Amino acid sequence: SYELTQPVSVSVALGQTARITCGGSNLWTKNVHWYQQRPGQAPLLVIYWDTKRPSGIPERFSGSNSRNTATLTISRVQAGDEADYYCQVWDSDTVVFGGGTELTVL
Amino acid sequence: QVTLRESGPALVKPTQTLTLTCTFSGFSLSTDGMCVSWIRQTPGKALEWLARIDWDDDEYYSTSLRTRLTITKDTPKNRVVLSMTNMDPVDTGTYYCVRETGGGRNGFDSWGQGTLVTVSS
Repeated sequence: SYELTQPVSVSVALGQTARITCGGSNLWTKNVHWYQQRPGQAPLLVIYWDTKRPSGIPERFSGSNSRNTATLTISRVQAGDEADYYCQVWDSDTVVFGGGTELTVL
Repeated sequence: QVTLRESGPALVKPTQTLTLTCTFSGFSLSTDGMCVSWIRQTPGKALEWLARIDWDDDEYYSTSLRTRLTITKDTPKNRVVLSMTNMDPVDTGTYYCVRETGGGRNGFDSWGQGTLVTVSS
């Protein structure tokens, strides 16, 4: 079965840029979606189709997908960005999630 | 405005069958491209997709849980029901009902608040 690999945790200083990676075989051939989950809340779609932002998501959130790695980039990180982030794809008629990355804002 | 709400028992015993209902508004499962999935999150762990049902009646299931799951829809009543048999304590977690458009290609853009299910004797 297909697997997506994310770092368990990423730390970033307030105001700096955070990059969260998602690795998978030939990932560039798939559409990658990203979700933010704050403590006690349901996940929120922040990037779909690798690079697109849903309405209401700040421009600080961006995505890319190349070869075997997709990256969620959060610019000018704020305290409110501290959350878990998950990547997701559709593969062989099933949904696959990455294991999630905990973003800590220092 | 799209809303989804999960309902069902908060506590089930091992070996019992769990039945969860998703009641939604703001969209219809008769509209081309609409899909509703169930996703769960066990304590301290990642998201796990369970099943999906589409506007055209197609159904998809998690490979590892396929034999235990059944998803159905009642389009006029805007409801989707998930049944999971032979519940075990490891199935304890929060179960979410979610919407996806574009035939399941656009990501999960609307989530219910989730319902916590505990499996214990």
